[in-house]
Amino acid sequence: AQSVAQPEDQVNVAEGNPLTVKCTYSVSGNPYLFWYVQYPNRGLQFLLKYITGDNLVKGSYGFEAEFNKSQTSFHLKKPSALVSDSALYFCAVRDPKIIFGKGTRLHILP
Amino acid sequence: DTGVSQNPRHKITKRGQNVTFRCDPISEHNRLYWYRQTLGQGPEFLTYFQNEAQLEKSRLLSDRFSAERPKGSFSTLEIQRTEQGDSAMYLCASSLGGGMNTEAFFGQGTRLTVV
Repeated sequence: AQSVAQPEDQVNVAEGNPLTVKCTYSVSGNPYLFWYVQYPNRGLQFLLKYITGDNLVKGSYGFEAEFNKSQTSFHLKKPSALVSDSALYFCAVRDPKIIFGKGTRLHILP
Repeated sequence: DTGVSQNPRHKITKRGQNVTFRCDPISEHNRLYWYRQTLGQGPEFLTYFQNEAQLEKSRLLSDRFSAERPKGSFSTLEIQRTEQGDSAMYLCASSLGGGMNTEAFFGQGTRLTVV
């Protein structure tokens, strides 16, 4: 069965610093991976998806994700964090239904 | 607004009552998904449709839950004899096609409170 794991419940980063939100995956076959963001009392918004062959994928709001096959990881990154990036972030994998991780709460400190 | 629309946004019901939620997907999206999310947790898969066909239903879904998509457009999720444990946010999503690299788009959700 396909699954993703987000090892950190919460990540704190100072504004202006680079941020990383971690995700590891377990799949049979090719991985179809996604990142979503959820702001308070809102639905999930699509950020980016892995495209086969691209180890660095660019997405919305300046986010990017680094795919590493040997480490089975798909970490979300941003070079310079904004306070407005504070939200709940979910890694997900296609099964073909979409299976989500438990989420990582990102706090950007002013 | 051409996004996924869910109604109502909030529902408060007494234990034992039946409730029904509606989801209108993005036009022409043939896949529709239902998820349940409790506070601080990731969305939990409930069921999904390809047009009007229900392709998969979670084993976690009790017989009190039923979903339909009669004409392959909007969908309804019904919960019969609600229990306090049903209190959650119910999310609907849609996608164009069933391609494995196709992203799904989510609605704002329906928050259910069972008292």
